[in-house]
Amino acid sequence: QQQVKQSPQSLIVQKGGISIINCAYENTAFDYFPWYQQFPGKGPALLIAIRPDVSEKKEGRFTISFNKSAKQFSLHIMDSQPGDSATYFCAASRPNSGNTPLVFGKGTRLSVIA
Amino acid sequence: EPEVTQTPSHQVTQMGQEVILRCVPISNHLYFYWYRQILGQKVEFLVSFYNNEISEKSEIFDDQFSVERPDGSNFTLKIRSTKLEDSAMYFCASSSGRRTEAFFGQGTRLTVV
Repeated sequence: QQQVKQSPQSLIVQKGGISIINCAYENTAFDYFPWYQQFPGKGPALLIAIRPDVSEKKEGRFTISFNKSAKQFSLHIMDSQPGDSATYFCAASRPNSGNTPLVFGKGTRLSVIA
Repeated sequence: EPEVTQTPSHQVTQMGQEVILRCVPISNHLYFYWYRQILGQKVEFLVSFYNNEISEKSEIFDDQFSVERPDGSNFTLKIRSTKLEDSAMYFCASSSGRRTEAFFGQGTRLTVV
């Protein structure tokens, strides 16, 4: 129940295309859903995050869509660029009296080709 | 821009040896974490730390692991007797509040031989 399932494992997108990565969760107590971007040899960096009180959040070319009833959320990268080539992780955390850990998906390796 | 810094970037150690991984969290942050990532796999939570004590730990964080904040700036992860399966990238992270963004360091690659 603590898992976050992410798909696809890898994705190849043409430059200018839309990249879509999907995640699903079981634990309805999760209330924070961030997406992290990781370049080789670097730590994960927060890209965009959403809470379940909204169904969509957009920041520049990056959009999170959130479906609370289906317990799913997705990342859309519009006008994908070669510089977006990285591994993307979805994550979730639950509210708690203390600092709560992030539960990560297995990651999606995105390659944007010219 | 403030950042979490980790040292060393790469550590090679013999099986059974003790290692200490070091982290300097962002200066005004209060919540600290260690995560690890086995090559090609997902990032896994190890432990969270607040107010000089462990807040939460995962099943991975057994008696071989310990954390410490020895002074006002450093946050360390100690593995007492390393095993081959401890080989991974270890990430330190920090956040300013319970429900704010966690910032990750660049990681320490631990190789146990």
